[in-house]
Amino acid sequence: KAGVTQTPRYLIKTRGQQVTLSCSPISGHRSVSWYQQTPGQGLQFLFEYFSETQRNKGNFPGRFSGRQFSNSRSEMNVSTLELGDSALYLCASSPEPQTRNYGYTFGSGTRLTVV
Amino acid sequence: AQSVTQLGSHVSVSEGALVLLRCNYSSSVPPYLFWYVQYPNQGLQLLLKYTTGATLVKGINGFEAEFKKSETSFHLTKPSAHMSDAAEYFCAVSAPSGYSTLTFGKGTMLLVSP
Repeated sequence: KAGVTQTPRYLIKTRGQQVTLSCSPISGHRSVSWYQQTPGQGLQFLFEYFSETQRNKGNFPGRFSGRQFSNSRSEMNVSTLELGDSALYLCASSPEPQTRNYGYTFGSGTRLTVV
Repeated sequence: AQSVTQLGSHVSVSEGALVLLRCNYSSSVPPYLFWYVQYPNQGLQLLLKYTTGATLVKGINGFEAEFKKSETSFHLTKPSAHMSDAAEYFCAVSAPSGYSTLTFGKGTMLLVSP
């Protein structure tokens, strides 16, 4: 059974540009969450999608957005990149949001560097 | 709302020594608790979880954790450290119902010396 797949693994962008990251959850998982990981702030929740609807959102500016498709694959977009957006972006999937006892399965992440 | 505090950003042990990584949580209801491990340039891997039932939980790679409600703690232990245990460990908490997310601690880097 394939795990959570994130593409690309590494990305270098220039300040002011925009970027789109992709996440394919485990087959059968319908909930996808996104986290930003930085050395200073640790793991911070961005948003969670289920059935193509955003169910929860973290405390990030509107430059950060996401969506989920009918096949449960998800994308997140960051517009007008800032240097502080440099981070490891992690995607996690679970069967459903209410399945708290399952825990999440994480992908290997996308390392975004903004220069 | 839930929160997690991991005591010690770095913990150093010798190979073969006891590993103890501390985690305390704050939650208005009995939460679900998780420990994850992250190796360099990789995502997070679930080590173990506590949801309901037995308070001593065994996970992968010889790790275990005990949920102590009176102390609001969920410390991670391993009797004998191995070099391959060197990684960053994260404690996380979630409410048992609703659209609650996973809230992570800041992480503890475990260093294992020969």
